[in-house]
Amino acid sequence: DGGITQSPKYLFRKEGQNVTLSCEQNLNHDAMYWYRQDPGQGLRLIYYSQIVNDFQKGDIAEGYSVSREKKESFPLTVTSAQKNPTAFYLCASTPPIGRYSNQPQHFGDGTRLSIL
Amino acid sequence: SQQGEEDPQALSIQEGENATMNCSYKTSINNLQWYRQNSGRGLVHLILIRSNEREKHSGRLRVTLDTSKKSSSLLITASRAADTASYFCATPPDGTASKLTFGTGTRLQVTL
Repeated sequence: DGGITQSPKYLFRKEGQNVTLSCEQNLNHDAMYWYRQDPGQGLRLIYYSQIVNDFQKGDIAEGYSVSREKKESFPLTVTSAQKNPTAFYLCASTPPIGRYSNQPQHFGDGTRLSIL
Repeated sequence: SQQGEEDPQALSIQEGENATMNCSYKTSINNLQWYRQNSGRGLVHLILIRSNEREKHSGRLRVTLDTSKKSSSLLITASRAADTASYFCATPPDGTASKLTFGTGTRLQVTL
């Protein structure tokens, strides 16, 4: 079955440590997104990528970094510069944006990150 | 700031009743989307309604869009306990086709 796989499901970070969240999709989608969700809140966009080797900052990119070396993969690194990283992180993807205006986004089941 | 804002923030109904939640947005849009999120899970797309559409149905879901009022509503008829979830509207910010802005959601609780 096609879908988006996020791993790990739970992740703990120590002070001063960088951690990387994995997002893999086999939907052949071009565009991928990372969101942060705080308790009882909506989603805030961290980074997004429309094609391989290209990505743009979202609304809350500070303290995060991404790469897009392969179409299927869009890992998110939460760096030590992100002082309040405890949140639920969601990855999503859509078909090519240019040909389809605002296609529905397909989501993974998230990674919950906590501070030790 | 949020492009979409849902109302109410929380809604509790009994099974069999209808649930209505509303979304208001700020800028012109070419479409509006509704998503559902079960606790601890990712979002699931429900319906996309385009700016030239006024109403759309999918099973027990009915979505309306009023572009003059910059608002949309999601109606779930004959609610079931399995409908318990958070519901979000999402719109493209400033008309862009490359991303979506999500509201803060309505938490729906359907009791037996």
